[in-house]
Amino acid sequence: DAGITQSPRHKVTETGTPVTLRCHQTENHRYMYWYRQDPGHGLRLIHYSYGVKDTDKGEVSDGYSVSRSKTEDFLLTLESATSSQTSVYFCAIRGQGIGSVLLEQFFGPGTRLTVL
Amino acid sequence: EDKVVQSPLSLVVHEGDTVTLNCSYEVTNFRSLLWYKQEKKAPTFLFMLTSSGIEKKSGRLSSILDKKELFSILNITATQTGDSAVYLCALMNTGFQKLVFGTGTRLLVSP
Repeated sequence: DAGITQSPRHKVTETGTPVTLRCHQTENHRYMYWYRQDPGHGLRLIHYSYGVKDTDKGEVSDGYSVSRSKTEDFLLTLESATSSQTSVYFCAIRGQGIGSVLLEQFFGPGTRLTVL
Repeated sequence: EDKVVQSPLSLVVHEGDTVTLNCSYEVTNFRSLLWYKQEKKAPTFLFMLTSSGIEKKSGRLSSILDKKELFSILNITATQTGDSAVYLCALMNTGFQKLVFGTGTRLLVSP
């Protein structure tokens, strides 16, 4: 258990409504990531963060925004949800190694989002 | 664009069989290759490979990387029903160490 929680774990919403997913970590890790997982596509990176207020886009960032106002929380917002954003969303964290040490990413339990 | 291709897409074996899962990749700035196991929940980390020819081993699972031919294999010997899962291969790039995933191999081990 890498100390990652996600909330909510399940959500059903309607097209056009805003949705915020939360990732919370207790390990004080610097790097945090949001992925979505869809059949036939595997896991795809949406946004990532390399520190408080430091974020950048991944490969499928359109329609999503993120915020990180404190180390432990990384929020993913769908400003106006669409049916194509129905997916399972995973948060991941990675620690900071010494020098060029590579560290693996650990994943949260996931949030299943359905947009009707 | 970095790319990961896994094969086969799915596989059914009998308990006790040995299986080999394949991962080939294209990358501009390679840092490492990772294997994850995913059951009906979040992916769990198995191996990280950075150097060619050095086998990583954990119990019945082992993996090796060939950076010249751009592929990795994951071997599972004496398979058990608990090995049934989707196995994911991912590339880690330079910089912020983002991961690019393959679509996975779904393994079913029948009793």
